Amino acid sequence: QKEVEQNSGPLSVPEGAIASLNCTYSDRGSQSFFWYRQYSGKSPELIMSIYSNGDKEDGRFTAQLNKASQYVSLLIRDSQPSDSATYLCAVKREDTGRRALTFGSGTRLQVQP
Amino acid sequence: ETGVTQSPTHLIKTRGQQVTLRCSSQSGHNTVSWYQQALGQGPQFIFQYYREEENGRGNFPPRFSGLQFPNYSSELNVNALELDDSALYLCASSARDRRSGNTIYFGEGSWLTVV
Repeated sequence: QKEVEQNSGPLSVPEGAIASLNCTYSDRGSQSFFWYRQYSGKSPELIMSIYSNGDKEDGRFTAQLNKASQYVSLLIRDSQPSDSATYLCAVKREDTGRRALTFGSGTRLQVQP
Repeated sequence: ETGVTQSPTHLIKTRGQQVTLRCSSQSGHNTVSWYQQALGQGPQFIFQYYREEENGRGNFPPRFSGLQFPNYSSELNVNALELDDSALYLCASSARDRRSGNTIYFGEGSWLTVV
């Protein structure tokens, strides 16, 4: 079992729709959760971080965390063609000296004009 | 713009050669991590440096080594290059204090092709 699992996609949504991206993780000690966006040929760019159960909203983005279910999701409202990218879910423990991110393989999102 | 700069951006090496990749972290960030991202995969943690000492290592062989300098810049060295080392190498910096929180910033990466 991978430590962080994501559906590889592609997830295809029409422009203006809500895109829903999901991620599950296996380490119950994970305390910090991140969503990165990565355009083809570029490095990952942080778009959301979440640390406690519930929802966190930032503009068109909403991150949702359920630690009991070990589940993180990202909703993108009013999807735009410029949102087309690979979205990487990452988790991190904070109780060790090593502050490394564990990434999923990413979900490719395609927003159709 | 994350303030993390990496060099070179692209390079081609021959199998068996050695390579050094460099990273300048964001001002005030004392922790540098290196990740390897193969095509179609998420980044994989190689190792982390905190105040010039290695502070954690992923599942990579000893031919992957690194350094962190007093100004917190860093190098990743890979010896005896193999074809499977072809990947995007990412440097990430962060600060270990409550004020800065948990944010990790990535550089633009160095694309390594081994032929």
